[in-house]
Amino acid sequence: DTGVSQNPRHKITKRGQNVTFRCDPISEHNRLYWYRQTLGQGPEFLTYFQNEAQLEKSRLLSDRFSAERPKGSFSTLEIQRTEQGDSAMYLCASRLDLGAGELFFGEGSRLTVL
Amino acid sequence: GQQVMQIPQYQHVQEGEDFTTYCNSSTTLSNIQWYKQRPGGHPVFLIQLVKSGEVKKQKRLTFQFGEAKKNSSLHITATQTTDVGTYFCAVPNAGNNRKLIWGLGTSLAVNP
Repeated sequence: DTGVSQNPRHKITKRGQNVTFRCDPISEHNRLYWYRQTLGQGPEFLTYFQNEAQLEKSRLLSDRFSAERPKGSFSTLEIQRTEQGDSAMYLCASRLDLGAGELFFGEGSRLTVL
Repeated sequence: GQQVMQIPQYQHVQEGEDFTTYCNSSTTLSNIQWYKQRPGGHPVFLIQLVKSGEVKKQKRLTFQFGEAKKNSSLHITATQTTDVGTYFCAVPNAGNNRKLIWGLGTSLAVNP
């Protein structure tokens, strides 16, 4: 198992464009989380899935953000009509539903909106 | 709402000195997790504490969970340059314990 994989690692885009990030969790993990992190801050919860079901979405997220996990394996996070304030590191994490609750993070996708 | 405070925000030490970061919750916790994030890296799980007054050690790192389960500390003995990074505590959300609330972290710098 290669751990949690995210791509692209870096994305530079112009304001108003759409971007999509992909996360491949550890294969047996049924819980998948998306976080956003800006410099000097802790990870900020965006949304999470149990298998293919999206169980919660942060109220901080606008309707421009959408996430899917169609087959309960990989997940995508799409940001439509990007704004400069969307610039951040987008982190994906996965974990087993049971057990210690340890989150395994990917290396993140850094978004820069010009 | 539920809050998690971490202090200090930054700590600069000479290699060999000790370091402690504290995490305080506004609510009683079922458990607390600690993560380390190296500069430019992603958070990596260190430990989870569950029991009141629990103390766990990992080599030079000592983790403690308060008796009232509202605070925790991470202590590093004789810091090394490899300890550089940001240390986060994370606690279950009171309304939904399947998601975590994160502290702002304590950034540790170690002078060789």
